[in-house]
Amino acid sequence: DTEVTQTPKHLVMGMTNKKSLKCEQHMGHRAMYWYKQKAKKPPELMFVYSYEKLSINESVPSRFSPECPNSSLLNLHLHALQPEDSALYLCASSQDRLGEGYYEQYFGPGTRLTVT
Amino acid sequence: QKEVEQNSGPLSVPEGAIASLNCTYSDRGSQSFFWYRQYSGKSPELIMFIYSNGDKEDGRFTAQLNKASQYVSLLIRDSQPSDSATYLCAVNGDFNKFYFGSGTKLNVKP
Repeated sequence: DTEVTQTPKHLVMGMTNKKSLKCEQHMGHRAMYWYKQKAKKPPELMFVYSYEKLSINESVPSRFSPECPNSSLLNLHLHALQPEDSALYLCASSQDRLGEGYYEQYFGPGTRLTVT
Repeated sequence: QKEVEQNSGPLSVPEGAIASLNCTYSDRGSQSFFWYRQYSGKSPELIMFIYSNGDKEDGRFTAQLNKASQYVSLLIRDSQPSDSATYLCAVNGDFNKFYFGSGTKLNVKP
C-alpha cells in the first residue's frame, strides 16, 4: 500500500481565517513533506520532517506553520494567508535517507486551497 | 543549485506510437531518479524509479539511465490517449530533498 491521504480536498478561506491541512500515511515512512504547486509549475518544496523533527524549511513565510504530531501525521496550519497563496498543497512521504540508500517519494491527492 | 531540465513540450504522438521523454540533471552525485505522471488538477503519481545505469521496464514503461551523460529518459510504448498528462522527472538530492524538472506535457492523439 502506497497511500498518503489528505484532508480536506478543497478549502476556501478568507485572509483573516485560521485553518489546518492534514496528511496521514501508514507506510512506516519517517520523512514527510509539504509542497506547494501552482498551475503549470512543478511542486515547490516547503517543509521536510525527518523522524518527526523539522529538518528543512525552505524560507516559508510564518503564516504557514507545520506540525508533525507523530510519525504518521503531518499538519499544516494556515493563518492570515494572501490570495497569492492559493495553490494545490501536496503532502508526500518517503523513507528517511540515512546516509546512502534509495527511496521513493509518494504524494497524497492534495488540498486545493483558495484564499479570498 | 541542483538543476533538472526537461523539454516543456507539448510532445504530441499518435495513439499506438512510442513516446520518448527526456531529462538531464546537473548533480553528478545524484543516485535516485523518478518519473511522475500528473493529470490536470491531480497530484503527481510515481510511475517509475531507477537507480542503476541501464534500462528498467514495467509494463509499457521503460526508464533509461545514463549517469555518465547525466541523462534519464522514459519511454512509453503503445501510447494511449489516457497517457496524456504532464510527466515530471525528479532526482534525489541530499537531506531528503527531491529536485523536480518543470515537466513535459504529453498529448496522445487518437
